[in-house]
Amino acid sequence: DVKVTQSSRYLVKRTGEKVFLECVQDMDHENMFWYRQDPGLGLRLIYFSYDVKMKEKGDIPEGYSVSREKKERFSLILESASTNQTSMYLCASSLEARNRYEQYFGPGTRLTVT
Amino acid sequence: AQKITQTQPGMFVQEKEAVTLDCTYDTSDPSYGLFWYKQPSSGEMIFLIYQGSYDQQNATEGRYSLNFQKARKSANLVISASQLGDSAMYFCAMREVSYSGAGSYQLTFGKGTKLSVIP
Repeated sequence: DVKVTQSSRYLVKRTGEKVFLECVQDMDHENMFWYRQDPGLGLRLIYFSYDVKMKEKGDIPEGYSVSREKKERFSLILESASTNQTSMYLCASSLEARNRYEQYFGPGTRLTVT
Repeated sequence: AQKITQTQPGMFVQEKEAVTLDCTYDTSDPSYGLFWYKQPSSGEMIFLIYQGSYDQQNATEGRYSLNFQKARKSANLVISASQLGDSAMYFCAMREVSYSGAGSYQLTFGKGTKLSVIP
């Protein structure tokens, strides 16, 4: 089974702090993704990566950066956390070799910025 | 215009009965994939079923089937014999494959339908 893990289920940070959200997958997937999920807005893509050290902006990259130094790990960085970044953050990975390319998600990190 | 539309914010179904969750999509890409995910209250998104635009038959995975009507651009999820554990949010998503670059990797999600199974 595909396993995607995220470093924390719940996180509370203060405004202005630098925040790191870590995601690890164990299935050698090429693609990894970071989404945020907000009530009424659904899932929105922040960033994704299709290879080590490669990244692409999604729909809402402002205020975020990412890092992918190893294939299995994809980090989301909030350079200076703000209250409007309080949200549920979901990491996902997918394999590109097959035709199906469904994304497998981690358990999510519920971040609160106070 | 929204690419994925789920018109039912919430639905109720009696345990052991079948239920259909609606999803319509909008794309001009001839090659695309459609997905359904389940999100229980715990938060994890669970992949349920996939349908490719060129697939001739409707996809099935256990109690889940996808009613794919290409001309109508609909991809409804049918859950047979509902169980209490089926209570969750359900999301329809699409990937447009033909586009090059960043857009071809992205899944676009609908707003979701909250399903409640009544004992």
